[in-house]
Amino acid sequence: QVLLVQSGAEVKKPGASVTISCQASGYTLTSFYMHWVRQAPGQGLEWVAMINTGAGSTAYARKLQGRVTVTRDTSANIVFMELTGLRPEDTAVYYCARPARCSTTSCSNYFDSWGQGTQVSVSS
Amino acid sequence: DIQVTQSPSTLSASVGDRVTMTCRASQSVSIWLAWYQQKPGKAPKLLIYKASSLESGVPSRFSGSGSGTEFTLTISSLQPDDFATYYCQQYNGYPWMFGQGTKVEIK
Repeated sequence: QVLLVQSGAEVKKPGASVTISCQASGYTLTSFYMHWVRQAPGQGLEWVAMINTGAGSTAYARKLQGRVTVTRDTSANIVFMELTGLRPEDTAVYYCARPARCSTTSCSNYFDSWGQGTQVSVSS
Repeated sequence: DIQVTQSPSTLSASVGDRVTMTCRASQSVSIWLAWYQQKPGKAPKLLIYKASSLESGVPSRFSGSGSGTEFTLTISSLQPDDFATYYCQQYNGYPWMFGQGTKVEIK
């Protein structure tokens, strides 16, 4: 079955960078895009980024462009999200999420598989 | 960008009640809207996709309707396991926005 396992919690100081990983199993990584969604404490879901795991192309939330980078290692079936210039307002649980349906050319970007979440805390 | 707004933000109901919540998009998303359920400390769970299609394994008391800019999620008879927060998400195009959520709490 599809399984997305994320790396562990991170505590960072403002201005630092963090890299979170999402290990995929149970399917071929390049057959589905991968998205990142975050949730600040007590808040709703916020879409962050997407990677076309086959082509390597990416899309980012406008408010995070320039600070977020998503990459993948297809040989290891793993996706990474790096966030630089961390601010206290970046404190959140970060989820990787896989679209439910993808064809050879595109995906329907709603999500039926989610990672367990990675807590990122930013504080001085 | 397409904005997605949910109402109400909180809904108080009792077991057995019929519950309806609304999601509005700032411009048409056709039928490309999904609904999720989230419980504290857990990842969201997909309930409905393509506005009205029930995800496999989801109880039939959940139903979705709508198209264009206005959508509803209905729970026909609220069960104890249904007390949670519900989010809609448009997937018509970038950016793939979520609504701010509707929390269903015990009356």
